[in-house]
Amino acid sequence: AQTVTQSQPEMSVQEAETVTLSCTYDTSESDYYLFWYKQPPSRQMILVIRQEAYKQQNATENRFSVNFQKAAKSFSLKISDSQLGDAAMYFCAYRSGRAGGTSYGKLTFGQGTILTVHP
Amino acid sequence: DAGVTQSPTHLIKTRGQQVTLRCSPISGHKSVSWYQQVLGQGPQFIFQYYEKEERGRGNFPDRFSARQFPNYSSELNVNALLLGDSALYLCASSLATVSQETQYFGPGTRLLVL
Repeated sequence: AQTVTQSQPEMSVQEAETVTLSCTYDTSESDYYLFWYKQPPSRQMILVIRQEAYKQQNATENRFSVNFQKAAKSFSLKISDSQLGDAAMYFCAYRSGRAGGTSYGKLTFGQGTILTVHP
Repeated sequence: DAGVTQSPTHLIKTRGQQVTLRCSPISGHKSVSWYQQVLGQGPQFIFQYYEKEERGRGNFPDRFSARQFPNYSSELNVNALLLGDSALYLCASSLATVSQETQYFGPGTRLLVL
């Protein structure tokens, strides 16, 4: 079974600075997808960024970028120019690329990292 | 366009009771997934439905069941509630079940079992 580990329960950053959130995963599959979701205190889970395992190029969405190291099974999220609105719980998630099976469509989440942004 | 909607937002039940949670997907989305998020933890996969059929099931007891309707909305039912069922229940919708489809989450239903 796949597992996702976020080793940083809490992180903090000054406004306008850069912060990196860590995520490692364990899988024997070669085809999969990785995601970072943000869950603000209002609870709505929002997709931040996604990465296809078959792509070597790291995904980027505005101030958010990832460092995807497939061999090391590492998928970190870098937030540049941090803003107060970035404060939230961040979840790393894995989804298999293999069709079928009872776990089809399943997102496997890490434990989350609480990000605090200081003004 | 409206996002994923869930009802009710909050619910209080007592042990042994039954509860039904509802989810309406984003317009055009045919797949709905359910997750349980216990306080302080990441969401855990319960079910995925597509075109009214169960396509995926997580490691939850048979007290948990779900269904999807012709309009693609979905209900999650939990019977014989236990204190440990207290959690935020999240619904997510996607266009289809193929793995590259992004899942979009609703605001959740907070269930408290006393």
